[in-house]
Amino acid sequence: GAVVSQHPSWVICKSGTSVKIECRSLDFQATTMFWYRQFPKQSLMLMATSNEGSKATYEQGVEKDKFLINHASLTLSTLTVTSAHPEDSSFYICSARDRGAWNQPQHFGDGTRLSIL
Amino acid sequence: DQQVKQNSPSLSVQEGRISILNCDYTNSMFDYFLWYKKYPAEGPTFLISISSIKDKNEDGRFTVFLNKSAKHLSLHIVPSQPGDSAVYFCAARVGGSTLGRLYFGRGTQLTVWP
Repeated sequence: GAVVSQHPSWVICKSGTSVKIECRSLDFQATTMFWYRQFPKQSLMLMATSNEGSKATYEQGVEKDKFLINHASLTLSTLTVTSAHPEDSSFYICSARDRGAWNQPQHFGDGTRLSIL
Repeated sequence: DQQVKQNSPSLSVQEGRISILNCDYTNSMFDYFLWYKKYPAEGPTFLISISSIKDKNEDGRFTVFLNKSAKHLSLHIVPSQPGDSAVYFCAARVGGSTLGRLYFGRGTQLTVWP
């Protein structure tokens, strides 16, 4: 089945550091990828929709300058948390949908645990 | 505004019995519903889905029921197994959405005990 790879799985870094998270679709092309954030015991909160070759669409309340998204190819989207602070610590998950399978479910990466000291 | 609601944060069921997880939604434009299973520190895994033109979809031990008039769906797992212990998310998609954005509930922690 479709596989989405997310890297790194765990990051611990100092406050003020920028962190890049990669999301790759391994065996399909994804015109659209989604970035979510999950707080403990909370739902998946959609942060932004990443569109290949164009600007990402951010949800209300999500700072686009804080969370930079680049979707340069049909198999790769990156999320960069710029100048990260402790309040950015969270579990970030990406998902992707096969461009050729409209009525198929999104497939998720295994997430990235980000801890800012 | 939570358009997809899972009002039970947790459910505990004995092995071999039926697990019923419930989900309600408010947006009548949703036409496709999914259930995902999630273990700690992992991404959600797709479990089963149902289109709004159906009222039931079955896959092995998993069955999803959709009641459009009540805007309610449920996931039945029978028989339940300890390995089913996980958080289950209900999700929905707006019909005609070219992006396929999903709206998620808060999840229900299912614990299946021996």
